[in-house]
Amino acid sequence: GESVGLHLPTLSVQEGDNSIINCAYSNSASDYFIWYKQESGKGPQFIIDIRSNMDKRQGQRVTVLLNKTVKHLSLQIAATQPGDSAVYFCAEINTGRRALTFGSGTRLQVQP
Amino acid sequence: EAGVTQFPSHSVIEKGQTVTLRCDPISGHDNLYWYRRVMGKEIKFLLHFVKESKQDESGMPNNRFLAERTGGTYSTLKVQPAELEDSGVYFCASSLGHNTEAFFGQGTRLTVV
Repeated sequence: GESVGLHLPTLSVQEGDNSIINCAYSNSASDYFIWYKQESGKGPQFIIDIRSNMDKRQGQRVTVLLNKTVKHLSLQIAATQPGDSAVYFCAEINTGRRALTFGSGTRLQVQP
Repeated sequence: EAGVTQFPSHSVIEKGQTVTLRCDPISGHDNLYWYRRVMGKEIKFLLHFVKESKQDESGMPNNRFLAERTGGTYSTLKVQPAELEDSGVYFCASSLGHNTEAFFGQGTRLTVV
């Protein structure tokens, strides 16, 4: 069956460093990918998305990279701040299904 | 503009009881989704409404779960009777289109004891 998973359950970085969170997906029909951030007591919050016809997309301090050859997605956060501490989920939508399939999440801890 | 709101934020019930969760999507969003996260695992899809119609309910775990969206506005998710394994956080999300950004509510934390 389809699955979206994360390589690292917890990532600890120093404030000011860059963070990279990785995600693997198995469904080759996936055509839309999203990164969500979830803080304690809140619902997932949209960070950035990318469609399958792109391999890179940049936002404010965040970049998403998509490698369709190896079915890999990454989220890069520049100059990580304490407010970036949260659980990050990757998610995908494929043409056959209209709902998100989530990965298991990576906890990002930013050390001051 | 109000975001997606869910009620209650927390619910503690005994095994065998009934609980009803409510979700108010963003006004104008035809697509409404229910998800849940149990035992700290990944967020799993439950079902998807387009207006008042169930588009996909393949994620509903069993017939103890019943979702409705009468009138195509707010939605309810009823669990009857609740079991211990139903404990988790239930999220609702809404979107304009099925392939556009989905906005999530803060979730309802359900604890079945």
